[in-house]
Amino acid sequence: SQQGEEDPQALSIQEGENATMNCSYKTSINNLQWYRQNSGRGLVHLILIRSNEREKHSGRLRVTLDTSKKSSSLLITASRAADTASYFCATATLMNYGGSQGNLIFGKGTKLSVKP
Amino acid sequence: NAGVTQTPKFRVLKTGQSMTLLCAQDMNHEYMYWYRQDPGMGLRLIHYSVGEGTTAKGEVPDGYNVSRLKKQNFLLGLESAAPSQTSVYFCASSYEEASANNEQFFGPGTRLTVL
Repeated sequence: SQQGEEDPQALSIQEGENATMNCSYKTSINNLQWYRQNSGRGLVHLILIRSNEREKHSGRLRVTLDTSKKSSSLLITASRAADTASYFCATATLMNYGGSQGNLIFGKGTKLSVKP
Repeated sequence: NAGVTQTPKFRVLKTGQSMTLLCAQDMNHEYMYWYRQDPGMGLRLIHYSVGEGTTAKGEVPDGYNVSRLKKQNFLLGLESAAPSQTSVYFCASSYEEASANNEQFFGPGTRLTVL
């Protein structure tokens, strides 16, 4: 059972364009985290946004959180070929959801391809 | 610092064979996790540990066992491998639990094929 669902499943853009990925979830959360996974590698943490925050920035990354709609978005500005990767949202909740109380529940990811 | 390391990187097993995956972290983290990642799926939590000597079940624990005898190591065992356990396995660690606003640090993964 997955808590988060990313949209779109795949996204292809040109270098320099912005990329927006969305994540929807089902239950109340403590925080939402975004991770990047390059092909054949482990996940790398990008940014964490707490349930009482609405927007957060880190370099070229901008994350928003709307707890009333149970959704988040990740914006990558001025994308580069090196941004090509899969991006996952993960929610942390104190509720016992699928045996993961207090832990992260990951979505299926958005596969981003940035063409030079 | 090496961060989170996993051994082995690749393994092919026959149905019914057993094996142990080793995860090590050098960040003095209390929490450690084992996930599996299947095509088109996100990561699913198998088992986790909140400290040395403790383990707990995640979302998909059946067919797996774990042990945390030392704080820096977390072992995942498959007693009798099945083709359904063909997957990429990731280990992760964190200082505290995710709901306490902690990020997780991941290893590079182990690609396991069960024939």
